[in-house]
Amino acid sequence: SQQGEEDPQALSIQEGENATMNCSYKTSINNLQWYRQNSGRGLVHLILIRSNEREKHSGRLRVTLDTSKKSSSLLITASRAADTASYFCATDAWNNDMRFGAGTRLTVKP
Amino acid sequence: DTGVSQDPRHKITKRGQNVTFRCDPISEHNRLYWYRQTLGQGPEFLTYFQNEAQLEKSRLLSDRFSAERPKGSFSTLEIQRTEQGDSAMYLCASSLDPGQGRNEQYFGPGTRLTVT
Repeated sequence: SQQGEEDPQALSIQEGENATMNCSYKTSINNLQWYRQNSGRGLVHLILIRSNEREKHSGRLRVTLDTSKKSSSLLITASRAADTASYFCATDAWNNDMRFGAGTRLTVKP
Repeated sequence: DTGVSQDPRHKITKRGQNVTFRCDPISEHNRLYWYRQTLGQGPEFLTYFQNEAQLEKSRLLSDRFSAERPKGSFSTLEIQRTEQGDSAMYLCASSLDPGQGRNEQYFGPGTRLTVT
């Protein structure tokens, strides 16, 4: 069963704009991870944020985590056409198996 | 090491046949995971191994599915008596032991199964 739920399901923006995707989950977690998947290919790990962290940056990516609300957000700044992909959050519970959401499909128009 | 590899990349089979997929993880990773992904959905956890031990298996997983990792390196996933509902992308991932503080998973390209 899947735990994380991403919102929105689909997002379309112009190149250069920022993209924000949200993830909500149900149970306590050890950490939360974001992955990207280009069409028909495997997933690529983007960033991991631990349950005791509130914000993390990696290049153009910014992730926040609010454990009281059981939610996380992924911000991609200055988007590029190459950012077009599906983005998934994955929650890692204390039993160390991960649960993925259904993903947000991001389209960046050149 | 170039990453996680999976074989075959595509498999078409007739309903009722058995199929077996192989996954070769990153060599120093002792964790290996299997997921199933259908169109428009995220990966669904199936099972995972710590070295050669299978530590968890999804309760949603049919008894027709079995996985092995006999020497703690590569793994196989077998589906017996395939059904059309088994059609999906089967993803393998590997990671270091989370006890080492890093459990980012590295995914293979997947095996796309089509059951006709």
